[in-house]
Amino acid sequence: SQELEQSPQSLIVQEGKNLTINCTSSKTLYGLYWYKQKYGEGLIFLMMLQKGGEEKSHEKITAKLDEKKQQSSLHITASQPSHAGIYLCGVYQNAGGTSYGKLTFGQGTILTVHT
Amino acid sequence: NAGVTQTPKFRILKIGQSMTLQCAQDMNHNYMYWYRQDPGMGLKLIYYSVGAGITDKGEVPNGYNVSRSTTEDFPLRLELAAPSQTSVYFCASSPQRLSYEQYFGPGTRLTVT
Repeated sequence: SQELEQSPQSLIVQEGKNLTINCTSSKTLYGLYWYKQKYGEGLIFLMMLQKGGEEKSHEKITAKLDEKKQQSSLHITASQPSHAGIYLCGVYQNAGGTSYGKLTFGQGTILTVHT
Repeated sequence: NAGVTQTPKFRILKIGQSMTLQCAQDMNHNYMYWYRQDPGMGLKLIYYSVGAGITDKGEVPNGYNVSRSTTEDFPLRLELAAPSQTSVYFCASSPQRLSYEQYFGPGTRLTVT
């Protein structure tokens, strides 16, 4: 099965600084999802990347898919305390040629933003 | 719409006890999922359902059971609770496979002592 490895596992930044979180896959990436989780809450969908080279932005968060590297990166510009939380990447797994939409996640990156 | 709701939010069980974690969605989604989240381990799929009456195992199904008698509800049953089942449980739903996103509930924090 496809596995995802996120780096770093945790990150502490000063407010206003830029940061990058990486998600590396053990197999070819055909699509990747980024979610954010605040402590004690469920996951909130951020964005989905479907094609190699695709780049999407939402407010100050930009994600890019590099299919050659089997990697996706999530970049936050001018971080704010509201960006703090756990960021998870996910891919859909196939099951014997049929995909039931089973989402496999990386282990998560914990982001802390100091004011 | 309330989205995906889960009850209870917190629960402490003794070893060997049983309980049912409730999950409901009001978006008429066919696909529903149960995940558990352990520190530093991301989320692992326990069971999923592609529609009422149809369920299947995920990555870590041992010790759990599910049922899907209606489109709205997808309860997760723990029959003989073990300390290894201490975790945060998330229910999610999506309108179709390979959906843009899965909608997650707020989670149930379970401790087994």
